[in-house]
Amino acid sequence: DIQMTQSPSSLSASVGDRVTITCQASQSISSYLNWYQQKPGKAPKLLLYVASSLQTGVPSRFSGSGSGTDFTLIISSLQPEDFATYYCQQSYSTPWTFGQGTKVEIK
Amino acid sequence: QVQLQESGPGLVKPSQTLSLTCTVSGGSTSSGSYYWSWIRQPAGKGLEWIGRIYISGSTNYNPSLKSRVTISLDTSKNQFSLNLNSVTAADTAIYYCAGMDIATTGSAFDYWGPGTLVTVSS
Repeated sequence: DIQMTQSPSSLSASVGDRVTITCQASQSISSYLNWYQQKPGKAPKLLLYVASSLQTGVPSRFSGSGSGTDFTLIISSLQPEDFATYYCQQSYSTPWTFGQGTKVEIK
Repeated sequence: QVQLQESGPGLVKPSQTLSLTCTVSGGSTSSGSYYWSWIRQPAGKGLEWIGRIYISGSTNYNPSLKSRVTISLDTSKNQFSLNLNSVTAADTAIYYCAGMDIATTGSAFDYWGPGTLVTVSS
């Protein structure tokens, strides 16, 4: 199985801050990396796919980059509705696997 | 817009079989454009992919659960189902059904049901 490791596990930030979350795969996954946002009591929501493609309807303050084993999710200016847990997920090979999550909290 | 809805018992006894159904609307389970998956999340923990099914009937399962899992498709009802046998307390989780639109996002989970909590307890 491909292991996905996110960092940090949690962070505190203020509205307007630039937030960076990283995700590392245990082997190369090309660009087969997706990012999700999950709010308490809700299902995850797809934000970005194939590392950098923004899902329809997702604000442009979200961006992604990377290939191979190292990937980054950036929120350029954190908004109140962005406080949530973020997960990366590899779709390079089954079993598809997720990172452990990064919880973004209000400072 | 594709919508998914899980249904099934919220309480299952240890050693019994957990059975859930996902009803799809706004899309067709007989379309070759989708993979249909089950994903679970224990309370306060991360996401675990359980397995997927394609219109051809082909399935892939997580090796960690493979011996206990069956995913099936009923295109006449626009549904797909999960059976997980010999359950223990470790199988207590929120179970999500999810759809992957191969034609647009490739291999990302575009669509999710709201999730259903299944508790394994006597």
